[in-house]
Amino acid sequence: SQKIEQNSEALNIQEGKTATLTCNYTNYSPAYLQWYRQDPGRGPVFLLLIRENEKEKRKERLKVTFDTTLKQSLFHITASQPADSATYLCALEDTGGFKTIFGAGTRLFVKA
Amino acid sequence: DTAVSQTPKYLVTQMGNDKSIKCEQNLGHDTMYWYKQDSKKFLKIMFSYNNKELIINETVPNRFSPKSPDKAHLNLHINSLELGDSAVYFCASSQDSNNQPQHFGDGTRLSIL
Repeated sequence: SQKIEQNSEALNIQEGKTATLTCNYTNYSPAYLQWYRQDPGRGPVFLLLIRENEKEKRKERLKVTFDTTLKQSLFHITASQPADSATYLCALEDTGGFKTIFGAGTRLFVKA
Repeated sequence: DTAVSQTPKYLVTQMGNDKSIKCEQNLGHDTMYWYKQDSKKFLKIMFSYNNKELIINETVPNRFSPKSPDKAHLNLHINSLELGDSAVYFCASSQDSNNQPQHFGDGTRLSIL
């Protein structure tokens, strides 16, 4: 089945810089890939969905890329703010497309 | 208005007890899910229902029994609770079962003493 790898080490950046988070997957390329944000004690919140025929998707300060050759998605937050501090989860369809599987997430800390 | 609400938020109980977690969504979605998030933060699918019909049933002990009385509700009953059941359980919903974005509740933290 599909396996997702996200950097387990926390990412610390300065306010105003661009945060870049990585999601790698191991098997077949999914038809879509999603990114979620999770705050402590809360459920994940959907942010963006990108399809296999889309190279890039933007929403306000967020940008997601999807490289099916590298089997990788990059998630960028430009002009980062302390309020962006959270855990960011990558999710994609499992083999067979019947369910969505989630990565363990990368914790982002933005310092003022 | 809370889109996906689950109760209780915290559940502390002893090994061997039976407990239930309730979930309701007011988004008009057809599909609902139960996930388990363990201490390592992995979010693992347990069950999924589409229009009250079970469509995903992962390798979950049969002590866990989901019930969907209508498409807006998906409850989870757990019999004979074990220490390893301690985790955060999340309910979620999506428009349909075709890999749509999911809306999550805020979780139920289950602690087994």
